[in-house]
Amino acid sequence: DVKVTQSSRYLVKRTGEKVFLECVQDMDHENMFWYRQDPGLGLRLIYFSYDVKMKEKGDIPEGYSVSREKKERFSLILESASTNQTSMYLCASSSPPLAGSPLAKNIQYFGAGTRLSVL
Amino acid sequence: AQTVTQSQPEMSVQEAETVTLSCTYDTSENNYYLFWYKQPPSRQMILVIRQEAYKQQNATENRFSVNFQKAAKSFSLKISDSQLGDTAMYFCAFMKLDTSGTYKYIFGTGTRLKVLA
Repeated sequence: DVKVTQSSRYLVKRTGEKVFLECVQDMDHENMFWYRQDPGLGLRLIYFSYDVKMKEKGDIPEGYSVSREKKERFSLILESASTNQTSMYLCASSSPPLAGSPLAKNIQYFGAGTRLSVL
Repeated sequence: AQTVTQSQPEMSVQEAETVTLSCTYDTSENNYYLFWYKQPPSRQMILVIRQEAYKQQNATENRFSVNFQKAAKSFSLKISDSQLGDTAMYFCAFMKLDTSGTYKYIFGTGTRLKVLA
């Protein structure tokens, strides 16, 4: 079974703190994603990565950065946490689609989520 | 830009009955993929069912089936013989593969389904 592990289920931080959210997957997936989940807004993509040391902005990257030094690990960084970053953060991973088999590996596998509170 | 709309924030259904969750999307693309994901309370999100847009046949996975209406851009999820374990938040998602080989998902806002005993 694919396993996507997020380092913390619950996290409480102070405004202005630097926060690291870690995500590790054990399936050698090329693609990794960070979302935030808010009531009434669904999942919104923050950043994603298609390869080591590669990153691309999603729909709401402001206030966040990411790091992917190793294939299995994708970190989300809040440089200076603010109260409006209180949310549930979900990490996901997947393999890219195979040529000639579009849906072969398009499934995203999610971690259990980190509920972050910024006070 | 693509959008995904789930117009039912909350729904409930009696155990053993059938319920349909609606999802509409907006895109100018012809080739894309649609998914339903389930997020049980305090548990990980998992894939329920998926549909390739180029396939006319509706996808089915045991008690879960979809009604895919490409022209209407509608992708509803039907759950038959509802079970207490189906209680969860359900997200509809759209995915398109770009010519560059990159892709990303766009999720709806979710429907919270409660199955009543």
